[in-house]
Amino acid sequence: GAVVSQHPSWVICKSGTSVKIECRSLDFQATTMFWYRQFPKQSLMLMATSNEGSKATYEQGVEKDKFLINHASLTLSTLTVTSAHPEDSSFYICSARDQNRYTGELFFGEGSRLTVL
Amino acid sequence: DQQVKQNSPSLSVQEGRISILNCDYTNSMFDYFLWYKKYPAEGPTFLISISSIKDKNEDGRFTVFLNKSAKHLSLHIVPSQPGDSAVYFCAASVGGGSNYKLTFGKGTLLTVNP
Repeated sequence: GAVVSQHPSWVICKSGTSVKIECRSLDFQATTMFWYRQFPKQSLMLMATSNEGSKATYEQGVEKDKFLINHASLTLSTLTVTSAHPEDSSFYICSARDQNRYTGELFFGEGSRLTVL
Repeated sequence: DQQVKQNSPSLSVQEGRISILNCDYTNSMFDYFLWYKKYPAEGPTFLISISSIKDKNEDGRFTVFLNKSAKHLSLHIVPSQPGDSAVYFCAASVGGGSNYKLTFGKGTLLTVNP
């Protein structure tokens, strides 16, 4: 299956700093990538849809100025958590669709665990 | 309003027996359904899917059944193996165009006991 890679897998930062998470599709091109957030024992919550070459589409309740998304190429999307606070601590997961096949599934990265002290 | 519901947060099954994971949905516009498997601190892994025009899809030990009239789908794993122990997420999508997105249920933790 298609491979999506996320980096870093684990990051600890101080409150007030910004953290960037990268999501790469390794063997396919993805015009659209998705960023999810998962709280403990909860479902995956879609944060935003990242579109290559255009602005991201954010879900209701997600602050676009806090969670900056850039999708500069067909294989890379980045999520930057700006001025992170402890409540931003979570597991962030990206996913991508292989635009060359319509089978509906998304391929997910390994996830990034963010801990804000 | 949760459009995809997995009402059982956990399920425990004996190795070799059948595991049945259930999922209900409310949005009749969903036309594609997927099951993902997730281990702790990892991203979900695609398992199996089914289009709304079908009522069954089988892949090895995994079979997904769809009952559109009841807005219900289920994942059957047989025989269950200890390595199947994970959280299983049901997901649904509408269309494949620019508005494509997956809606996930809350997941069911499956434990397969040796």
